[in-house]
Amino acid sequence: DAGITQSPRHKVTETGTPVTLRCHQTENHRYMYWYRQDPGHGLRLIHYSYGVKDTDKGEVSDGYSVSRSKTEDFLLTLESATSSQTSVYFCAISESAGTDQPQHFGDGTRLSIL
Amino acid sequence: QKEVEQNSGPLSVPEGAIASLNCTYSDRGSQSFFWYRQYSGKSPELIMFIYSNGDKEDGRFTAQLNKASQYVSLLIRDSQPSDSATYLCAAGGYQKVTFGTGTKLQVIP
Repeated sequence: DAGITQSPRHKVTETGTPVTLRCHQTENHRYMYWYRQDPGHGLRLIHYSYGVKDTDKGEVSDGYSVSRSKTEDFLLTLESATSSQTSVYFCAISESAGTDQPQHFGDGTRLSIL
Repeated sequence: QKEVEQNSGPLSVPEGAIASLNCTYSDRGSQSFFWYRQYSGKSPELIMFIYSNGDKEDGRFTAQLNKASQYVSLLIRDSQPSDSATYLCAAGGYQKVTFGTGTKLQVIP
């Protein structure tokens, strides 16, 4: 299995609070991704990173920010959580930009915002 | 129109039969295609990937790609109850991979 660790695995919090999810990899892959998965929508890309301090937006980036200060760590922050951000969040990694290399996923974080 | 479309299912097949999962994509620039298996409450797990037209076999799994028809399929031979899961199709383009919403497969013992 790809060495990807997401933390926390489960979190319940209240609307308006800040939340940070962490993704840690031991594969030294350049690309890291944050997705959310919701019924009927499948996996949707939030943000991705193509190197240390290099990040870009995905299709559902509003309300989320990311940071990558080290190759192995990619953080996803919800500055002020809303109930619409209740979801399962997956981190993924790949060696390249995804066109020819598959992405491998972490175990996910189940986030509930009340 | 979704960029990657899959029938949500469930697709029910008896144990030992061939399960056929289908996927269409809209972006003709897509060059790589992936199949993931996702058990309930778990993360997606890569099963196969295919880049060229034709068939690619790996054990009980065969991926088929037809770029002219923008069609990808996954065949599972000798289906087992442990194959019961949701199968996600994904298409890779320039710096982007788009996922379908998945087809739920049920293998009946």
